Amino acid sequence: GAVVSQHPSRVICKSGTSVKIECRSLDFQATTMFWYRQFPKQSLMLMATSNEGSKATYEQGVEKDKFLINHASLTLSTLTVTSAHPEDSSFYICSARRSYGTAYEQYFGPGTRLTVT
Amino acid sequence: DQQVKQNSPSLSVQEGRISILNCDYTNSMFDYFLWYKKYPAEGPTFLISISSIKDKNEDGRFTVFLNKSAKHLSLHIVPSQPGDSAVYFCAASPKTSYDKVIFGPGTSLSVIP
Repeated sequence: GAVVSQHPSRVICKSGTSVKIECRSLDFQATTMFWYRQFPKQSLMLMATSNEGSKATYEQGVEKDKFLINHASLTLSTLTVTSAHPEDSSFYICSARRSYGTAYEQYFGPGTRLTVT
Repeated sequence: DQQVKQNSPSLSVQEGRISILNCDYTNSMFDYFLWYKKYPAEGPTFLISISSIKDKNEDGRFTVFLNKSAKHLSLHIVPSQPGDSAVYFCAASPKTSYDKVIFGPGTSLSVIP
């Protein structure tokens, strides 16, 4: 159990366009989902925490108007990169935490490779 | 300012031997620690965790040791298998927010058959 999927796995878009990435918890409910970004040969950096039915909490330095997060249901969160630029090219990973129990482990999706040309 | 450090970028171990991955942290507010394993082009997979009230947690071939006074933890894999070859991330959460996970830079482990 605890499977998280992401779609698409890879996307190439032109500068100035918007891209939406979906994150789904397939076999459990997740009131909280997280969005990370990983630069080459670097660690995962938390971008924002997404709570179902409420506004996302963004980490310092992350532009909330550029990275729009929507957590419309207990199994789906979306990240929209608006007006993408080449510097937004990165590996974006989402994770989800179960809605029950005391475990704090996050279960990660496979990631989305975004390339902005 | 890196709050979670993994000073060895890479480690090679012979199959069947012990792999020891080290991690140091600087923030004394951290009190929940996790290890994740990551294959290329995939998301991290949770391996094992430990709360600051313990000094050891074991799960099969994986054991995590925590030395709070030294702000140091280690992951032991015994015996190491070729399938263990991956990048291992040490991560920590502060008691004020267990949802806030700070990752280390990772250690790439190669288990040689």
